[in-house]
Amino acid sequence: AQTVTQSQPEMSVQEAETVTLSCTYDTSESDYYLFWYKQPPSRQMILVIRQEAYKQQNATENRFSVNFQKAAKSFSLKISDSQLGDAAMYFCAYKVRGGATNKLIFGTGTLLAVQP
Amino acid sequence: DSGVTQTPKHLITATGQRVTLRCSPRSGDLSVYWYQQSLDQGLQFLIQYYNGEERAKGNILERFSAQQFPDLHSELNLSSLELGDSALYFCASSPTIGLAGNEQYFGPGTRLTVT
Repeated sequence: AQTVTQSQPEMSVQEAETVTLSCTYDTSESDYYLFWYKQPPSRQMILVIRQEAYKQQNATENRFSVNFQKAAKSFSLKISDSQLGDAAMYFCAYKVRGGATNKLIFGTGTLLAVQP
Repeated sequence: DSGVTQTPKHLITATGQRVTLRCSPRSGDLSVYWYQQSLDQGLQFLIQYYNGEERAKGNILERFSAQQFPDLHSELNLSSLELGDSALYFCASSPTIGLAGNEQYFGPGTRLTVT
């Protein structure tokens, strides 16, 4: 069974600094997708970034980038130039590619605080 | 705004009762997913519908059921409610199933409190 692990329940970063959130996963599949979702206090789930397992290049979206290490089954999120609005719960999620279902498997989340 | 709507936003009910949560997917999206977010279980997949048919089941209790209607909106029915059913219930939609890379767009959620 596929699992997603986020070992950092809470993280803190100073405004304008860089922070990295960790995620590891376990799967026997070779082709899959990985995502980072942000959940601010409003509780809305917002897609931050996605990575296709077959792509070697790490995904980047503005200040957000990932470090995808397929062999190590590691998928970390780097937030550069942190802003107060980045404070939220961040969830790492996995989805197998090409399966009969698109269900997402989530980690337990990392609560990020941004200090002014 | 993701384009996915959920009603009601909040629901408070007593143990043993039955409630219905409603979800309208983004225009054109055929797949609807239901997730439960609780303090002890985290975010868990419950069930998926595609164009009116059930496609996948996750950790959904027998007391829970869902359906997707011809207009593609979906309802999640929770019966014989227990205190442990208190959670945030999300609906998400995506345009297709089985194809790579389709993101799921989440609604704002329904907060259910069972007293």
